[in-house]
Amino acid sequence: ELKVEQNPLFLSMQEGKNYTIYCNYSTTSDRLYWYRQDPGKSLESLFVLLSNGAVKQEGRLMASLDTKARLSTLHITAAVHDLSATYFCAAFPAGSRLTFGEGTQLTVNP
Amino acid sequence: KAGVTQTPRYLIKTRGQQVTLSCSPISGHRSVSWYQQTPGQGLQFLFEYFSETQRNKGNFPGRFSGRQFSNSRSEMNVSTLELGDSALYLCASSLATGGSYGYTFGSGTRLTVV
Repeated sequence: ELKVEQNPLFLSMQEGKNYTIYCNYSTTSDRLYWYRQDPGKSLESLFVLLSNGAVKQEGRLMASLDTKARLSTLHITAAVHDLSATYFCAAFPAGSRLTFGEGTQLTVNP
Repeated sequence: KAGVTQTPRYLIKTRGQQVTLSCSPISGHRSVSWYQQTPGQGLQFLFEYFSETQRNKGNFPGRFSGRQFSNSRSEMNVSTLELGDSALYLCASSLATGGSYGYTFGSGTRLTVV
């Protein structure tokens, strides 16, 4: 059974700093998704990574995928308060279903 | 293009009652999955329906049930409500089973059991 682990689960950072969220998954997966959830709201799709070495960027967020290491990262550059949210990664192993990590709660402080 | 519509947005029920939540997926999406989200528990998978058939089921008691209609709309029912059922219930719409093309989530239904 696929396990998806995120690290860290809680992250408090200052505005302007950089940081990385890690997502490890236990079995080969065809693709990897990142979602964002604002407090009390639903999940919003951020990125889908389809192949080894894939990199996607939007604004201050950049996601990458290393299928050999079964690792995806979400890098935050020069954080701003608006990025405060919970970030989920989700992996899709062939023949199974999309499986989510526990989520990383990010707080960006002024 | 209309998104995923969940109704109602908020609900307050008493212990022992039952509740029905509704989800209309994106037009053309035939898969609907349901998740329960509580503080500290993350996203817990309830079940998935595709073409009116339940395809996957999570680890929830039989009090939790669902169905899907021919127009792909789905309903989820919880009978004999318990305090621990208080949660945000999210519906996710997808083109294919298992979320292989990713999910689009609805706004959720926040259920409070008192």
